[in-house]
Amino acid sequence: DGGITQSPKYLFRKEGQNVTLSCEQNLNHDAMYWYRQDPGQGLRLIYYSQIVNDFQKGDIAEGYSVSREKKESFPLTVTSAQKNPTAFYLCASSISGGQGETQYFGPGTRLLVL
Amino acid sequence: GDSVTQMEGPVTLSEEAFLTINCTYTATGYPSLFWYVQYPGEGLQLLLKATKADDKGSNKGFEATYRKETTSFHLEKGSVQVSDSAVYFCALNLAYSGAGSYQLTFGKGTKLSVIP
Repeated sequence: DGGITQSPKYLFRKEGQNVTLSCEQNLNHDAMYWYRQDPGQGLRLIYYSQIVNDFQKGDIAEGYSVSREKKESFPLTVTSAQKNPTAFYLCASSISGGQGETQYFGPGTRLLVL
Repeated sequence: GDSVTQMEGPVTLSEEAFLTINCTYTATGYPSLFWYVQYPGEGLQLLLKATKADDKGSNKGFEATYRKETTSFHLEKGSVQVSDSAVYFCALNLAYSGAGSYQLTFGKGTKLSVIP
């Protein structure tokens, strides 16, 4: 079955630690996205990529980093510079990033701070 | 900038009741409009969408019509079921001139609970 997988489902971060969230898709989509979801806030865009080896900052990129070395993979690193990382993180993909395209979402990773 | 405003929740309805969740938007151009649904502990799923004015999106008994004159995309369902309990997000998607980016801008979500 085609889809998007995210791992782990739950992730715990210690203060000062960097953690990496995995996102893989087998839909053959060019565009991939990372969103952060906080209660009552809707979703906010962290980073997006429309092609391999290229990515753009979204609205809340500070304290996060990404890479796009393969079409199928778009990992997100939450760095120690992100002072309030506790949230639900959602990865999505779409065919090419064009207007009107449906974005397909993964099941999410919940990040908690110890 | 572009924005989406949807009615605050939570909304609690009895089974078979009529549902309306209001959504209005602000955009400088002509966006595509979406409704996504999120079940507890899961990611978002597309419920329906409309890409131009007067288009009606529909799926699983839900409908929404793109109204340019009122900048609205209200979600409706004639008879809700317990299985419709979820959080519903209205979103828009618009290209920014010169940027080549097509970002989804989401409303804050409306939680629906349907009781038997």
